[in-house]
Amino acid sequence: DTGVSQDPRHKITKRGQNVTFRCDPISEHNRLYWYRQTLGQGPEFLTYFQNEAQLEKSRLLSDRFSAERPKGSFSTLEIQRTEQGDSAMYLCASSVPGLAGGPPTGELFFGEGSRLTVL
Amino acid sequence: ELKVEQNPLFLSMQEGKNYTIYCNYSTTSDRLYWYRQDPGKSLESLFVLLSNGAVKQEGRLMASLDTKARLSTLHITAAVHDLSATYFCAVEGYISNFGNEKLTFGTGTRLTIIP
Repeated sequence: DTGVSQDPRHKITKRGQNVTFRCDPISEHNRLYWYRQTLGQGPEFLTYFQNEAQLEKSRLLSDRFSAERPKGSFSTLEIQRTEQGDSAMYLCASSVPGLAGGPPTGELFFGEGSRLTVL
Repeated sequence: ELKVEQNPLFLSMQEGKNYTIYCNYSTTSDRLYWYRQDPGKSLESLFVLLSNGAVKQEGRLMASLDTKARLSTLHITAAVHDLSATYFCAVEGYISNFGNEKLTFGTGTRLTIIP
């Protein structure tokens, strides 16, 4: 399977602990996105990378959140000192490079998500 | 700030009927996407609409985009139970030197098809 993969799929942690999620995008995709989805809501943008460069971060991404994509391939999203309000599904997506000379199409391909429960 | 609204939020319909889901957005954009999400699952791309007047069809679903009205519709024809899911529209923000930017999603329409 060459889709977007995320690990772990489920994580239960106690408040105050640190957690890290990993995302492996589709190999030829140079853009990688992190979104957060809470129950009954649409995904909310957190941050995105083009290759290893982090181009934008949402206001939702507090100082406790950090994302990296060190070699322009996989990415990690770390949450420090977790709070109950961090409980959500964390979705990773990657996007297709555009045709030569044009912008990417913008279509995102999502992974299965990492569900975080903070007790 | 770009805002995306969908209606209805919940839709229960009988098999065989037709219905339309609406997606309105607040700022200029030429790019809109529809996704499907099954319970506990991730999002599956359905349609990519990249210009005013774009219309795409796949099976019993048809999506269209009117950028002047800032409106997209997802039309369901002769609904079947397998179409039960939550449907999201997502609008692309401004196009910068980097190319496309992030997507802003609507709150979703939870569709239930009743036999």
